Amino acid sequence: QQQVKQSPQSLIVQKGGISIINCAYENTAFDYFPWYQQFPGKGPALLIAIRPDVSEKKEGRFTISFNKSAKQFSLHIMDSQPGDSATYFCAASTASGGSYIPTFGRGTSLIVHP
Amino acid sequence: EPEVTQTPSHQVTQMGQEVILRCVPISNHLYFYWYRQILGQKVEFLVSFYNNEISEKSEIFDDQFSVERPDGSNFTLKIRSTKLEDSAMYFCASTDTGETNEKLFFGSGTQLSVL
Repeated sequence: QQQVKQSPQSLIVQKGGISIINCAYENTAFDYFPWYQQFPGKGPALLIAIRPDVSEKKEGRFTISFNKSAKQFSLHIMDSQPGDSATYFCAASTASGGSYIPTFGRGTSLIVHP
Repeated sequence: EPEVTQTPSHQVTQMGQEVILRCVPISNHLYFYWYRQILGQKVEFLVSFYNNEISEKSEIFDDQFSVERPDGSNFTLKIRSTKLEDSAMYFCASTDTGETNEKLFFGSGTQLSVL
């Protein structure tokens, strides 16, 4: 019930291409869906997030698409750059005791070739 | 930009020893978290802490683990008797209250190696 399933595990894209990472969740109580970006040796950092009242959110080259009925959401990275090479985690959370505790997917290692 | 600071960056210990991992959350934040990441696996929630007490904990956070906010700036995770399977990267995170409390700020982590 608490799982967040993420795919693919790894992704290789050419510079300028589109990177797409998919996630699915089961718990309908989740109401906040962030994506975190993690570079080697660093902690995860919030990249972009969406709430289920909208179907899409765009920030620069990064877009989240959200399908509430299918309980799926995805991250699209347009015009992928070598600097985007990192591990990406989707997550889902709901308020609990005044705070949000994200449940993370397994992560996607993205490599963008120059 | 303010950041969460964790020390040490690497910790090597013998099985059965006690370790304390230290974190300095962002100064105006009130919620604190510990997560861990075993090599190549997902980031797993351990515990959240608010108002000087544990607010949530996972099944991973058993009696071997404890957390403390010993003063106004530090937040610590203690593992009483380390096991080989405790080897992981441990991340501290913090968040404030109010409208942005869903955004967690993570530190760079402490890599714990239990030999």
